[in-house]
Amino acid sequence: GENVEQHPSTLSVQEGDSAVIKCTYSDSASNYFPWYKQELGKGPQLIIDIRSNVGEKKDQRIAVTLNKTAKHFSLHITETQPEDSAVYFCAATDSWGKFQFGAGTQVVVTP
Amino acid sequence: KAGVTQTPRYLIKTRGQQVTLSCSPISGHRSVSWYQQTPGQGLQFLFEYFSETQRNKGNFPGRFSGRQFSNSRSEMNVSTLELGDSALYLCASSLEATPVGKQFFGPGTRLTVL
Repeated sequence: GENVEQHPSTLSVQEGDSAVIKCTYSDSASNYFPWYKQELGKGPQLIIDIRSNVGEKKDQRIAVTLNKTAKHFSLHITETQPEDSAVYFCAATDSWGKFQFGAGTQVVVTP
Repeated sequence: KAGVTQTPRYLIKTRGQQVTLSCSPISGHRSVSWYQQTPGQGLQFLFEYFSETQRNKGNFPGRFSGRQFSNSRSEMNVSTLELGDSALYLCASSLEATPVGKQFFGPGTRLTVL
């Protein structure tokens, strides 16, 4: 089955700096890669996603890149703000359409 | 449009009891997936229902079961509760079956087993 590894587990950044979270996956048939943000006491919120026929996607301060050959994808947050502090999860779907999530990255943005 | 709703939000049960959790998807969404979230194991897939049929199942014992109704609302049941079942149970809905449809999560039901 699919296995998704996510790094780093914690990330501390200064407000205004960029944050990058990386994930690798094992199933070459995976074709959909969403990223979720989870704040304390809430469910995960879909923030951006990318499909395997696209290499990069951007939405304001957030971007995701996908390297199918290397089987890794990354989340980039630019000009970080305190409200970006949360746990971020990457995910990949296996050949059956089941989601496999990474272990999560705790992002702390300090003013 | 209202988001995914889950009831109850919090639940306390004792070992051996059973529990039923409910999920109402976003209006128009036909797929509902359930996940268990714990600090040690992270987010783990339980099952997905699409048009009242179980489409996918994760690696959980048979004590975990679910169903979906004709209005797309879903319930999951856990029988003979164990201490290790304490977790946040999340429901996610999507317009179409995964991975075509994007999944949107509810706030979760926090289950504590004593």
